[in-house]
Amino acid sequence: AQRVTQPEKLLSVFKGAPVELKCNYSYSGSPELFWYVQYSRQRLQLLLRHISRESIKGFTADLNKGETSFHLKKPFAQEEDSAMYYCALLNAGGTSYGKLTFGQGTILTVHP
Amino acid sequence: NAGVTQTPKFRVLKTGQSMTLLCAQDMNHEYMYWYRQDPGMGLRLIHYSVGEGTTAKGEVPDGYNVSRLKKQNFLLGLESAAPSQTSVYFCASSQDRDGTQYFGPGTRLLVL
Repeated sequence: AQRVTQPEKLLSVFKGAPVELKCNYSYSGSPELFWYVQYSRQRLQLLLRHISRESIKGFTADLNKGETSFHLKKPFAQEEDSAMYYCALLNAGGTSYGKLTFGQGTILTVHP
Repeated sequence: NAGVTQTPKFRVLKTGQSMTLLCAQDMNHEYMYWYRQDPGMGLRLIHYSVGEGTTAKGEVPDGYNVSRLKKQNFLLGLESAAPSQTSVYFCASSQDRDGTQYFGPGTRLLVL
């Protein structure tokens, strides 16, 4: 069965410090992974997906198949990065219909 | 474009009461999803739809029913509410099966 694990419920850093939000997955095939973010009083939105290999708002995430991880990183955190972050795995198979399996979420707080 | 909208924003129910949550999208998306968000559990898929007139069960479907009579609307019903259904409910839509989903603002439901 597919599973996504975010081991940290809460993560606090100071402005300007590096930040890494951890995500591990369990999946036997070739995974497609995403990071979704929910800022305060805003709706959940896609931050980035590994297949795009892009950097959004200074965040990057590298898929490590050996460690089955997709950690989200940013070298210098900003206060506006404070939010709830979800890692998600696209369900496999022809009948997946775009379903996502989400992790438990990590609340990131960036202190001034 | 309003994107994905949800009605109501907040509701309090007594145990045993019924209600319907409405999700509407104006992006002509084929796929629609209902999730519940609970602390420490992340987002869990309740039901989903792959097109007008179709519905299917997700990860936690018990106690809920859905209907998609029109492409733009996806209704989530609670026939007999229970305190365990106290949660924040999110609707999402997607045009493709690629995991890119657009979320509504959420409905906060409290069952007493």
